[in-house]
Amino acid sequence: EVQLVESGGGLVQPGRSLKLSCAASGFTFSNYGMHWIRQAPTKGLEWVASISPSGGSTYYRDSVKGRFTISRDNAKSTLYLQMDSLRSEDTATYYCATGGHWFAYWGQGTLVTVSS
Amino acid sequence: DIQMTQSPASLSASLGETVTIQCRASEDIYSGLAWYQQKPGKSPQLLIYGASSLQDGVPSRFSGSGSGTQYSLKISSMQTEDEGVYFCQQGLKYPPTFGSGTKLEIK
Repeated sequence: EVQLVESGGGLVQPGRSLKLSCAASGFTFSNYGMHWIRQAPTKGLEWVASISPSGGSTYYRDSVKGRFTISRDNAKSTLYLQMDSLRSEDTATYYCATGGHWFAYWGQGTLVTVSS
Repeated sequence: DIQMTQSPASLSASLGETVTIQCRASEDIYSGLAWYQQKPGKSPQLLIYGASSLQDGVPSRFSGSGSGTQYSLKISSMQTEDEGVYFCQQGLKYPPTFGSGTKLEIK
């Protein structure tokens, strides 16, 4: 059974940093692209970043380029999202997901709140 | 970026009723479309991919159709457990983009 478990969310002040993790199990992690998708409270879904199976290619939405870094450790079957210079508009539940063109499996999400 | 426009924003349906949700892309996405269901407090679940392929484990009352810029999700016989918010998503080009969602409730 595919499982994705996010951790690392919490309350953080604007301008500070936070690192999210996503522990994967139940599939061969190193064979699949991975993604971070967020959802602001009572809002819709917004793709944040993606990484190729090897980690050699990464993609970001414009609003997080230069502030967020997606990475992976295939030996540990873990996905990461380093978030720097956080803004209030980054407040959301962050989901990790696996898939190619679409997102077949999702974690339960971790809430990030950016507020002073 | 490809814009995805979903309609309606909300609807209510009776048990057993057929429900249709529409999604329009700002350009041709060549069937690169997926549908998700999200229940309150839960993560989204993939229902349909490639515009019309049913994800494993999804009931056959769900179906997807469309081409070009116009797509639809149909629930052939509304059940209580189908309440939730439905999102479309284009997977043709980066960045992947989602529709704004359709909230479906039981009448």
